Amino acid sequence: QKEVEQDPGPLSVPEGAIVSLNCTYSNSAFQYFMWYRQYSRKGPELLMYTYSSGNKEDGRFTAQVDKSSKYISLFIRDSQPSDSATYLCANRGTSYGKLTFGQGTILTVHP
Amino acid sequence: GAVVSQHPSWVICKSGTSVKIECRSLDFQATTMFWYRQFPKQSLMLMATSNEGSKATYEQGVEKDKFLINHASLTLSTLTVTSAHPEDSSFYICSATARRGDIDTQYFGPGTRLTVL
Repeated sequence: QKEVEQDPGPLSVPEGAIVSLNCTYSNSAFQYFMWYRQYSRKGPELLMYTYSSGNKEDGRFTAQVDKSSKYISLFIRDSQPSDSATYLCANRGTSYGKLTFGQGTILTVHP
Repeated sequence: GAVVSQHPSWVICKSGTSVKIECRSLDFQATTMFWYRQFPKQSLMLMATSNEGSKATYEQGVEKDKFLINHASLTLSTLTVTSAHPEDSSFYICSATARRGDIDTQYFGPGTRLTVL
């Protein structure tokens, strides 16, 4: 079993839709949770991070963590074609050090 | 801020040759850098952790004699793929860490696409 699992998709939604991206993990030691966005042939860029259960909001993005079920979500409101990318969740047990990445979910937002 | 560059962005080489990839943090100092490889439509696989002034720590299954990592300064780490073979063809991405608030954040370079003929 992989430590971090993501549905690879692909996920296709119309512009303006609410997108839900999900990730599960098995390692109870994970305490820090990140979401990265990666455009084709580019390096990932950090969208959000959180280290507690509950919700964290940043503009159109909301990260949700449920440590009891080891379930992480990223919601994108009012999705735009420019949101089309691969979304990677990444976890680690401390505030520093290496990250464990999920497989990534490919998202396409069509006009 | 927190810009990471990689050079070259792509390289094609013949089997048996060595290729060096540079990773630079342009506007910050990074004690720790990481090297990943990524196959098409797959996630990032960590290869090694590089700390300035010390030997790199390699992940299980990564040949340290084949993938030489040097972290000579707080802004530069290099990955040398020695005696490259077609199976080494991949997308290589580095990241450099910087403290932001209460956590270390990894900032990624744009990647280097290596094709070995």
